[in-house]
Amino acid sequence: DGGITQSPKYLFRKEGQNVTLSCEQNLNHDAMYWYRQDPGQGLRLIYYSQIVNDFQKGDIAEGYSVSREKKESFPLTVTSAQKNPTAFYLCASSIRRRGIYEQYFGPGTRLTVT
Amino acid sequence: AQSVTQLGSHVSVSEGALVLLRCNYSSSVPPYLFWYVQYPNQGLQLLLKYTSAATLVKGINGFEAEFKKSETSFHLTKPSAHMSDAAEYFCAVSDGNTGNQFYFGTGTSLTVIP
Repeated sequence: DGGITQSPKYLFRKEGQNVTLSCEQNLNHDAMYWYRQDPGQGLRLIYYSQIVNDFQKGDIAEGYSVSREKKESFPLTVTSAQKNPTAFYLCASSIRRRGIYEQYFGPGTRLTVT
Repeated sequence: AQSVTQLGSHVSVSEGALVLLRCNYSSSVPPYLFWYVQYPNQGLQLLLKYTSAATLVKGINGFEAEFKKSETSFHLTKPSAHMSDAAEYFCAVSDGNTGNQFYFGTGTSLTVIP
């Protein structure tokens, strides 16, 4: 089955540590995205990548970093500079069908930093 | 710039009653509009999308939405609520020109009362 996998489902870290969230897709989609979700705030875009070796900052990129070395993979690193990293993180990818881009989501990773 | 506004962060309906979740959009170009559903601790699943082919769009699980340009609205409806419909619902818009960036509303939490 094709899809987007995110691992792990739950992640716990101590304050001051960097942590990397995994996102892999086998849908052959060109574009990939990272969102942060907090209660009552919907989804906020952290980074997105339209092609390999290229990515752009979203609305809340500070304290995060990404890489896109392979089409299938778009890992997100939450650095110690991120002041409030505890959140639910969603990875997505998109493809153009019949002239419209459709976005598909992974199951998410819940990060708790104490 | 594109944006969506979801009126009502929480909606409660009785089982069997009509479900109406409101979404208004702002777009400088003809928009592509989407509704997603999210169950607790899961990713988002696409319910339906508006692509300008038809103003009334039918989606999965008995949901439908009507695009009304004069009202800049794309409200989601379902004639008869089921307990399994209890979830968070997100309206989203993408840029009709590039199409590859998505803007989400803050979500509406639907409670179904038995």
